[in-house]
Amino acid sequence: GEDVEQSLFLSVREGDSSVINCTYTDSSSTYLYWYKQEPGAGLQLLTYIFSNMDMKQDQRLTVLLNKKDKHLSLRIADTQTGDSAIYFCAENNAGNMLTFGGGTRLMVKP
Amino acid sequence: KAGVTQTPRYLIKTRGQQVTLSCSPISGHRSVSWYQQTPGQGLQFLFEYFSETQRNKGNFPGRFSGRQFSNSRSEMNVSTLELGDSALYLCASQRGGNPFEETQYFGPGTRLLVL
Repeated sequence: GEDVEQSLFLSVREGDSSVINCTYTDSSSTYLYWYKQEPGAGLQLLTYIFSNMDMKQDQRLTVLLNKKDKHLSLRIADTQTGDSAIYFCAENNAGNMLTFGGGTRLMVKP
Repeated sequence: KAGVTQTPRYLIKTRGQQVTLSCSPISGHRSVSWYQQTPGQGLQFLFEYFSETQRNKGNFPGRFSGRQFSNSRSEMNVSTLELGDSALYLCASQRGGNPFEETQYFGPGTRLLVL
């Protein structure tokens, strides 16, 4: 079956860069996503990358995709305390069905 | 443009009862998907509706059901509630025209507690 894996926890200092990693298994996924979830809230779509791309940059966010290794990463530049949240990567397979990783809790220390 | 709305936001039920949750997608979106989020199992896909028809279904028992109305609003129902059904239920909307080329936008969720 499909498994999306993420590390559980990441701690960084304010102003540093954060890199959150994800590995996925379904090579047929066409889109890969990063979502952010703050306490008590739903999922906020941060960014996504189409599977034929290697990199996508959107302001402070950079997504890198290595299809050969099935590895996806999200880099947040100049991390702020407001970036503290849980970050989920997800792949789409079977159309609209998203398979999510377990989430990475990012803690930003002032 | 209004986002995805879900009602109610919080719900407390007892075992054996049934519950109905509602989701209104973004205007113009015709696909609605439902997900369950629990600490133990994470985020799991329940089902997806498009134009009033169930298009995809996850691996959940038949106690979990849903429907979609002609205005694209969707409801999900859980019958004979169990303690393990306590979760955050998230709804996501999508245009629906080409599921492989679109992104899903999530609502704030309904937090269900089963006692």
